[in-house]
Amino acid sequence: AQKVTQAQTEISVVEKEDVTLDCVYETRDTTYYLFWYKQPPSGELVFLIRRNSFDEQNEISGRYSWNFQKSTSSFNFTITASQVVDSAVYFCALSEEGNDMRFGAGTRLTVKP
Amino acid sequence: DSGVTQTPKHLITATGQRVTLRCSPRSGDLSVYWYQQSLDQGLQFLIQYYNGEERAKGNILERFSAQQFPDLHSELNLSSLELGDSALYFCASSADGYNEQFFGPGTRLTVL
Repeated sequence: AQKVTQAQTEISVVEKEDVTLDCVYETRDTTYYLFWYKQPPSGELVFLIRRNSFDEQNEISGRYSWNFQKSTSSFNFTITASQVVDSAVYFCALSEEGNDMRFGAGTRLTVKP
Repeated sequence: DSGVTQTPKHLITATGQRVTLRCSPRSGDLSVYWYQQSLDQGLQFLIQYYNGEERAKGNILERFSAQQFPDLHSELNLSSLELGDSALYFCASSADGYNEQFFGPGTRLTVL
């Protein structure tokens, strides 16, 4: 069965610090998809990234970067030089065969000025 | 703005009642998903439709049902409501059921 663990319930940093959000997943499938979503205080869920199981290349998008390691079943998310606007709950999610998306419990990130 | 619309934004009702939540997917997306987000259960997948047909089912209660219409909009029906059904209900859509899902703003349901 698929499972996503985000062990960090809450993280608090000061602006400009780098922060890494951990995500560990479990799946028996060889084909699967990993996602990160952001849920700001306004409540909507914003798509950040999708990765398929055959693509282990790390990705960088501005201040955001993702590290996918199949050997440790991890898909960690790093925010460089954090800003107050990064304050949100971040969800990691796993989808087997693209159908049933399973979300982690989320990590609440607070960035203080 | 994700392009997914949900109505209503807020809904307050009483126990035992029935409500209908509506979702319009992004233009061109064939797949619609419903999720429930509550404080104690987190974000839970309820059900997925693809081009009018049910494709996957998650932790959806028997009191809940959904459908996707020919114009691809979807409705989630919640009946015999209980206090514990109070939650944020999200609809999401994706192009083909395998790509990233884009979420609507959610409907906040309060059962009194």
